[in-house]
Amino acid sequence: EAQVTQNPRYLITVTGKKLTVTCSQNMNHEYMSWYRQDPGLGLRQIYYSMNVEVTDKGDVPEGYKVSRKEKRNFPLILESPSPNQTSLYFCASTRQGPSSSYNSPLHFGNGTRLTVT
Amino acid sequence: GQQLNQSPQSMFIQEGEDVSMNCTSSSIFNTWLWYKQDPGEGPVLLIALYKAGELTSNGRLTAQFGITRKDSFLNISASIPSDVGIYFCAGPYNTNAGKSTFGDGTTLTVKP
Repeated sequence: EAQVTQNPRYLITVTGKKLTVTCSQNMNHEYMSWYRQDPGLGLRQIYYSMNVEVTDKGDVPEGYKVSRKEKRNFPLILESPSPNQTSLYFCASTRQGPSSSYNSPLHFGNGTRLTVT
Repeated sequence: GQQLNQSPQSMFIQEGEDVSMNCTSSSIFNTWLWYKQDPGEGPVLLIALYKAGELTSNGRLTAQFGITRKDSFLNISASIPSDVGIYFCAGPYNTNAGKSTFGDGTTLTVKP
């Protein structure tokens, strides 16, 4: 089954304790992206990756890191989490069509609810 | 960067009523995408629009790509309780060098 898998689904941690949220897709998609969802603020993009070893900042990258060493995996790293990073996080992926037609729909994971105390 | 204004922010309707929501953009799009997020899940694509003026249906859902290429609307006819969720519009990620932008969402509540 084609899917985007995030782990864990729920995570409670303390301020300053490094954590990683994993994301894996089995659709051979080039494009992957991370979002956070907060009440009243919709989906905001944290980082995205157009392909292996190519990553770039979204709209809210502060406090986050990513890596794209393999096509299928795009982990989100919080080196020193803070309470303002308490949020619902989504990973998404899509194919990058020919001729730079970057308009294919995103496939989302089921989310990771992170609480930082 | 590009901005999407989605309205209304929330809707409370009776089962059987029709629903309409829309999105406007500060820039011209070549694609409009509508997603639905069920409670506790990730967003899922409902309808994709690729041509100005295009009107596309998916069951009780109908969406249109505005002629100006700066707006789109989504209609739901004869709403049912499982229509509850958050509906997002989105543009393509090519218009902003790889970044993707979503509207803030319309939260729909359907009373039986």
